[in-house]
Amino acid sequence: EVQLVQSGADVKKPGESLKISCKGSGYKFSIYWIGWVRQMPGKAPEWMGIIYPADSDTRYSPSFQGQVTISADKSINTAYLQWSSLKASDTAMYYCARSMTTAPETYDYWGQGTLVTVSS
Amino acid sequence: DIVMTQSPDSLAVSLGERATINCKSSQSVLKSSNSKNYLAWYQQKVGQPPKLLIFWASTRESGVPDRFSGSGSGTDFTLTISSLQAEDVAVYYCQQYYTTSYTFGQGTKLEIK
Repeated sequence: EVQLVQSGADVKKPGESLKISCKGSGYKFSIYWIGWVRQMPGKAPEWMGIIYPADSDTRYSPSFQGQVTISADKSINTAYLQWSSLKASDTAMYYCARSMTTAPETYDYWGQGTLVTVSS
Repeated sequence: DIVMTQSPDSLAVSLGERATINCKSSQSVLKSSNSKNYLAWYQQKVGQPPKLLIFWASTRESGVPDRFSGSGSGTDFTLTISSLQAEDVAVYYCQQYYTTSYTFGQGTKLEIK
């Protein structure tokens, strides 16, 4: 069974750093692109970027380029999303999702989400 | 960025009746080289991640009930639920994957009348 399991909710202060994770199982993790999606409360999802774990080829949405870093460790089937200096406006639910090979940039399996709260 | 605009913002339909959600893109998402529309539909229930229903505008994802169908081409698309069930209460999003940033519509909230 394909699963993406994300790290738990986190509460941080503005200016702090954070790295959240997404562990895949039930399929060959390295050969499927993993995307990250932000969803602010009551809003539509927003595509942030994507990584190919086999070679760590990474693409970012222009809106998120320079704001976050996406990485992966194929040896442990895990992708990451990190911030070096959080802002209150980063408060949101973050999802990882597996991109379909038959329809790239559509996502057939999703993690359960990681709620990030940034508050002083 | 391609802007995706859905209508209506919310919709109330009786059980067993048809529900229709529209999605319009600010530019065509039809790629001429392969004649495919780069348009997907997702369903999101409260407290859950989005679930893929339709891709290539009209291809149903495996396991999705056949009461869900997608149609349209170019800039105008429709998601139809032929006979609404109670479990279909959710927010529905269209998404274009023609070009970065693979934008989503603002969502349509579907409720039971």
